[in-house]
Amino acid sequence: GAGVSQTPSNKVTEKGKYVELRCDPISGHTALYWYRQSLGQGPEFLIYFQGTGAADDSGLPNDRFFAVRPEGSVSTLKIQRTERGDSAVYLCASSTQQGSGGNTIYFGEGSWLTVV
Amino acid sequence: AQSVTQLDSHVSVSEGTPVLLRCNYSSSYSPSLFWYVQHPNKGLQLLLKYTSAATLVKGINGFEAEFKKSETSFHLTKPSAHMSDAAEYFCVVSDRGDDKIIFGKGTRLHILP
Repeated sequence: GAGVSQTPSNKVTEKGKYVELRCDPISGHTALYWYRQSLGQGPEFLIYFQGTGAADDSGLPNDRFFAVRPEGSVSTLKIQRTERGDSAVYLCASSTQQGSGGNTIYFGEGSWLTVV
Repeated sequence: AQSVTQLDSHVSVSEGTPVLLRCNYSSSYSPSLFWYVQHPNKGLQLLLKYTSAATLVKGINGFEAEFKKSETSFHLTKPSAHMSDAAEYFCVVSDRGDDKIIFGKGTRLHILP
């Protein structure tokens, strides 16, 4: 596709439920990032993939959060036993290589998660 | 580890007057620095980036930023504000050899008619 695509764009779920958020990166981009943005805050790093492997998952807040990228393209962020504090916009981004090389990182429009 | 501080959470300027959004960074290595803009209910858009080439970087929509190593700053400027510039602006840093990019808390730019 032309840009990073995220689905769903909006998700309302009940506390305690399981949620999956999907990211389809720009074709050919090997690096994929997940960020979380709470109201009034800057995006907070969650996890970074290079290909199929999680190169850095130090930002995942706890073991309820997990992400996969089995074929090195589409990624799914999984949240178990959701809590009201998980409510945020979840942003996915991709780039051709590691972002530290100065390569531009392209963001999707985010998945708005509301836990009620 | 790298970090970034945006010194103002809100900035208000009149249309047609200059814009200055301040950013200071901390980096262990030679950093890459970016400015992103986020309009309401929209995704993040890259304005400009610095990657150790020219210290004065020109971006889209008339914005530019100057990398000053001695001051560890990367302030964003525009000579003349337009109503369409009203948005949230994020300063972003990444270290060479580190794959994370770190965002500042953002500066909300208000344009007064």
